[in-house]
Amino acid sequence: KNEVEQSPQNLTAQEGEFITINCSYSVGISALHWLQQHPGGGIVSLFMLSSGKKKHGRLIATINIQEKHSSLHITASHPRDSAVYICAVRKGNEKLTFGTGTRLTIIP
Amino acid sequence: NAGVTQTPKFRILKIGQSMTLQCTQDMNHNYMYWYRQDPGMGLKLIYYSVGAGITDKGEVPNGYNVSRSTTEDFPLRLELAAPSQTSVYFCASSQGANYGYTFGSGTRLTVV
Repeated sequence: KNEVEQSPQNLTAQEGEFITINCSYSVGISALHWLQQHPGGGIVSLFMLSSGKKKHGRLIATINIQEKHSSLHITASHPRDSAVYICAVRKGNEKLTFGTGTRLTIIP
Repeated sequence: NAGVTQTPKFRILKIGQSMTLQCTQDMNHNYMYWYRQDPGMGLKLIYYSVGAGITDKGEVPNGYNVSRSTTEDFPLRLELAAPSQTSVYFCASSQGANYGYTFGSGTRLTVV
């Protein structure tokens, strides 16, 4: 079993829908990262969080340390949100362990 | 501010050839990383560095070498390229363990 599991693997939604992507992990962590990888391949860091909730524009990330679970939400989704969203956890040292990503497609 | 710059963007190597993937950052970050991304797999750490003169192995270091002579540069060397090294390689940097990462745009390498 991977230390970081994401669900769903693929998600297709209509423009405007509320999107939720989930990340579960099996080890104690010091921080969790959400990353976005666009079709061109570049990777952008969206959030780093160790507790609670963070918001940036239409993106919201939450984490429940006790349940070892994090969610990434996108409100009022748009076709430009189409990308692979990657969850990664840090276990107290410098190294991240990555999930395999959730491929999101938003249809106009 | 250029961030993290990787070169080349694409490369095709023949089996047994060698090459160096270049990575440079202009943010004065101490931490730098090399990852490879294979289809359907999460990014895997090859090597990392927490400062100039310091490097350490990640999860998948075999077949690679790195050096960190300056804060800015963290080249990845492939010796005797093998088809198993066909992948997309990403360099990243971070201000420290408690900070977010900045990624380069990636190098797509094919070994034939």
